[in-house]
Amino acid sequence: AQSVSQHNHHVILSEAASLELGCNYSYGGTVNLFWYVQYPGQHLQLLLKYFSGDPLVKGIKGFEAEFIKSKFSFNLRKPSVQWSDTAEYFCAVDSGGGADGLTFGKGTHLIIQP
Amino acid sequence: NAGVTQTPKFRILKIGQSMTLQCTQDMNHNYMYWYRQDPGMGLKLIYYSVGAGITDKGEVPNGYNVSRSTTEDFPLRLELAAPSQTSVYFCASRQQAGNTIYFGEGSWLTVV
Repeated sequence: AQSVSQHNHHVILSEAASLELGCNYSYGGTVNLFWYVQYPGQHLQLLLKYFSGDPLVKGIKGFEAEFIKSKFSFNLRKPSVQWSDTAEYFCAVDSGGGADGLTFGKGTHLIIQP
Repeated sequence: NAGVTQTPKFRILKIGQSMTLQCTQDMNHNYMYWYRQDPGMGLKLIYYSVGAGITDKGEVPNGYNVSRSTTEDFPLRLELAAPSQTSVYFCASRQQAGNTIYFGEGSWLTVV
């Protein structure tokens, strides 16, 4: 069974700081990788995804993530965070051929202080 | 653009009551899912369906039932509500395995 590990459960940063949220997964086959964001009181929205090709993927709102196959990692980055980035961030993996949805990490609660 | 629509958004149940969370999608997606989200635990898959008439258990199916009589609808039934079912429930859908999953806005359920 696949699993997803997010390194930090709570992160507090000041505005304009750089962000990197770690995500590692365990699955030996082909995977599709996702980062979702959940703003307070809202549903999950897709930030970015990796299916194949360029391992550096760019998403909405200035976020990007790099897939490193040898490290089973898919870390999320943003050069300069804003107060509006305060949210919960979920990394998720999909084995591609499986029908049973995504396996999610436990989430990282990001707080940006003005 | 409706996407995935869930009702109700908020509900308080007494222990032992039953209820159905409704979910409908207008994207003609084959695959539909029900997840529950608990603080610090991420999302856990309850049930999923790969098409009308086909359903399967996820990671945490106990205490729940589902049906998929049409492509659009995937209701989640709680027969005997328990405090452990207090959670936020998300319905989701996608066209096929490997595609992006789209989520509904969530249903906040409290069992007292």
